[in-house]
Amino acid sequence: DTGVSQNPRHKITKRGQNVTFRCDPISEHNRLYWYRQTLGQGPEFLTYFQNEAQLEKSRLLSDRFSAERPKGSFSTLEIQRTEQGDSAMYLCASSLGTVNEKLFFGSGTQLSVL
Amino acid sequence: AQSVTQLDSHVSVSEGTPVLLRCNYSSSYSPSLFWYVQHPNKGLQLLLKYTSAATLVKGINGFEAEFKKSETSFHLTKPSAHMSDAAEYFCVVIEAGSARQLTFGSGTQLTVLP
Repeated sequence: DTGVSQNPRHKITKRGQNVTFRCDPISEHNRLYWYRQTLGQGPEFLTYFQNEAQLEKSRLLSDRFSAERPKGSFSTLEIQRTEQGDSAMYLCASSLGTVNEKLFFGSGTQLSVL
Repeated sequence: AQSVTQLDSHVSVSEGTPVLLRCNYSSSYSPSLFWYVQHPNKGLQLLLKYTSAATLVKGINGFEAEFKKSETSFHLTKPSAHMSDAAEYFCVVIEAGSARQLTFGSGTQLTVLP
């Protein structure tokens, strides 16, 4: 399967700990997006990359959230000093970057902060 | 700013009967609209997209949606529901701007009864 891959599938952590999630997009896709989905809601945009450049990060929820895509391939999303309100599904998507392009989503990482 | 409103959080239909999932949009200009489906433990999958080429859009798995500018609606329909259609469905609009990130509705959970 050459779709979007996210690891881990599930992460349980204690409040105050740092967590990092990884996303491997479809190999030829130059755009990569991060979304967050809480129970009963649709996904909420966080940030996106065009190759290695992070072009939009104003929607990141706080300065505890950061994302990188160092070589324009995989990406990581880090949450520092986790809080219980950070518990959610974190989704990654990738696309070719054309107008009205189709986004391909991974299965997500479910974060539970105790 | 563009937004979408999904009018029903839950819809139940019997297998073999029609499906109607309602979505209204708000946009100051002609939007790009999508329907995505999310099955449990699977990534979001694009069902269909409207990009002003034709008002009636056909998607995968027998779904279609009609763009009605006068009603600002983009309802999703299927003539005959199948058990495998049970999932969460999201109406989505692309926001203007360079990021062109997706803005999701809150979702409609479709249950198909035998």
